[in-house]
Amino acid sequence: AQKITQTQPGMFVQEKEAVTLDCTYDTSDPSYGLFWYKQPSSGEMIFLIYQGSYDQQNATEGRYSLNFQKARKSANLVISASQLGDSAMYFCAMREVGGFKTIFGAGTRLFVKA
Amino acid sequence: NAGVTQTPKFQVLKTGQSMTLQCAQDMNHEYMSWYRQDPGMGLRLIHYSVGAGITDQGEVPNGYNVSRSTTEDFPLRLLSAAPSQTSVYFCASSYSFGGDRGAAFFGQGTRLTVV
Repeated sequence: AQKITQTQPGMFVQEKEAVTLDCTYDTSDPSYGLFWYKQPSSGEMIFLIYQGSYDQQNATEGRYSLNFQKARKSANLVISASQLGDSAMYFCAMREVGGFKTIFGAGTRLFVKA
Repeated sequence: NAGVTQTPKFQVLKTGQSMTLQCAQDMNHEYMSWYRQDPGMGLRLIHYSVGAGITDQGEVPNGYNVSRSTTEDFPLRLLSAAPSQTSVYFCASSYSFGGDRGAAFFGQGTRLTVV
């Protein structure tokens, strides 16, 4: 069965520093996609970055990058040069290619300190 | 440029009442889903649909019904509201799988309180 685990309920980072948010997953499907979403205090859900299970390179989108370690089943989000506006909840999610369900982890709340 | 429109934004129900949360998307997405968000539990999938006339249960389907008569609309019905259904509900839509085209677009959310 699909499962997403985010073990860090809360994280603090100093402005302009990098931070890594952890995500591990479990699936029996060899083909899947991993997504990260941001939820600011206003409540909307914003898609950040995607990694496919067969992608050879780690995904990057601006200041966001995904540290994908397939053998360890981890897909950690790295935010470089943190900004105050990065303070939010971050969710890791997975979707199996053979199925249609997208499941989410419990989330990590990131606090960026000035 | 509407995207996913979800109504209402806030709702208070009495125990035992029924209601329907509306969700509509204008992006011609095949896949639509409903989630509930509770503190410390992330988003949990209630029901989902892969196309008009096709729905299936997610992780927490009890107490909820859905139907998908058109590609655009995917309403969620609470049959007999219970305090345990107090939550924030999100509707989401996406294309069938295709890399990051499978990323979900979310509605603004409905904050439901059952008293």
